Amino acid sequence: DAGVTQSPTHLIKTRGQQVTLRCSPKSGHDTVSWYQQALGQGPQFIFQYYEEEERQRGNFPDRFSGHQFPNYSSELNVNALLLGDSALYLCASSPMGLHSYEQYFGPGTRLTVT
Amino acid sequence: AQSVTQPDIHITVSEGASLELRCNYSYGATPYLFWYVQSPGQGLQLLLKYFSGDTLVQGIKGFEAEFKRSQSSFNLRKPSVHWSDAAEYFCAVGAREYGNKLVFGAGTILRVKS
Repeated sequence: DAGVTQSPTHLIKTRGQQVTLRCSPKSGHDTVSWYQQALGQGPQFIFQYYEEEERQRGNFPDRFSGHQFPNYSSELNVNALLLGDSALYLCASSPMGLHSYEQYFGPGTRLTVT
Repeated sequence: AQSVTQPDIHITVSEGASLELRCNYSYGATPYLFWYVQSPGQGLQLLLKYFSGDTLVQGIKGFEAEFKRSQSSFNLRKPSVHWSDAAEYFCAVGAREYGNKLVFGAGTILRVKS
């Protein structure tokens, strides 16, 4: 049973560019959440997708957007990259309902903005 | 607003010694509580979870945690630490009134000395 997968593993971008990160959820899960983990900090919630819609959003600017596809996979897009966007981006999947809180994380994408 | 506090940034224990990592949360209602472990450069692995019922929960790798509502705490314990337990540990909390997101503490780095 494959767990949560993310691509790419690492990414280096220049300030002002745009980036797309990808996530495939664990088998049987239909909800995907994205988190940003800056160096030395705990993960911060960006947003959550269910049924191809954004269901909840954290305190992140509109430069951060996402998408969920019919097969439940998801993308995170960040426009107009800033140096402060450098972080580990984690995708988590979960089933809907009470156990949507039981989130399983992928290995993350390390984004470096120069 | 919801918050999670892990008072200890670093903890060092000897191999074979017992371990307790502290977690305190600030919520108005019944929280859903989790402990995750993260090895360097990796994603988060779920160690254990609490939704309801018995306040002492068992997890993987010999870890356990106890929910104490009166103290708003969910401390992680292990009777005998192994060198492979060296990692960063995160406490996370969810609650219905805040949607499906998890709020994480800043983490505790565990070092194991032989």
